[in-house]
Amino acid sequence: DTAVSQTPKYLVTQMGNDKSIKCEQNLGHDTMYWYKQDSKKFLKIMFSYNNKELIINETVPNRFSPKSPDKAHLNLHINSLELGDSAVYFCASSQGWGEKLFFGSGTQLSVL
Amino acid sequence: SQQGEEDPQALSIQEGENATMNCSYKTSINNLQWYRQNSGRGLVHLILIRSNEREKHSGRLRVTLDTSKKSSSLLITASRAADTASYFCATGGFQGAQKLVFGQGTRLTINP
Repeated sequence: DTAVSQTPKYLVTQMGNDKSIKCEQNLGHDTMYWYKQDSKKFLKIMFSYNNKELIINETVPNRFSPKSPDKAHLNLHINSLELGDSAVYFCASSQGWGEKLFFGSGTQLSVL
Repeated sequence: SQQGEEDPQALSIQEGENATMNCSYKTSINNLQWYRQNSGRGLVHLILIRSNEREKHSGRLRVTLDTSKKSSSLLITASRAADTASYFCATGGFQGAQKLVFGQGTRLTINP
């Protein structure tokens, strides 16, 4: 069974569209994250939730809105997509703060 | 700004040789972690070393931590073609912020 699963794996869309990425973990972890990896492989945290509560909200445009319906799920909704949003988005979870992360396989977002 | 910086950015060696990658960071940490990322995949946790530890082993991996120099190294012994991947260090728990901050990674290529 996949520990952290995210869908879709690939997302190709036009500028201005709205899209969502879903993430689910079956590890029983309390903490979930969204990371963005750019073309130079920099991996930067975007959001972190602990027990459905938003804890970390880095300097991310408010077009990005995370939603955690329960502690096993953390979805990412992006409004009005821009070219610069093209990247790989990773969902991850951990048992606690600063502990090892379990990553999903990533969503390659391409905005045309 | 990025907390961890890996060195070198790219490393190419022959199968069977040892590979050493370094990571430097700027501020106090609670722990430092190493991850591996195969092309097109998510990151996989390798080792976590805490600030009060100096060395840790896991199979063919050896990690050292020097908090006085704010640096860590990852040694892979007897490298194999399957070790070809990008390797990232991540620092946790610095400045009271409970999040992992990743470096840009070292791209390791093992030539058969």
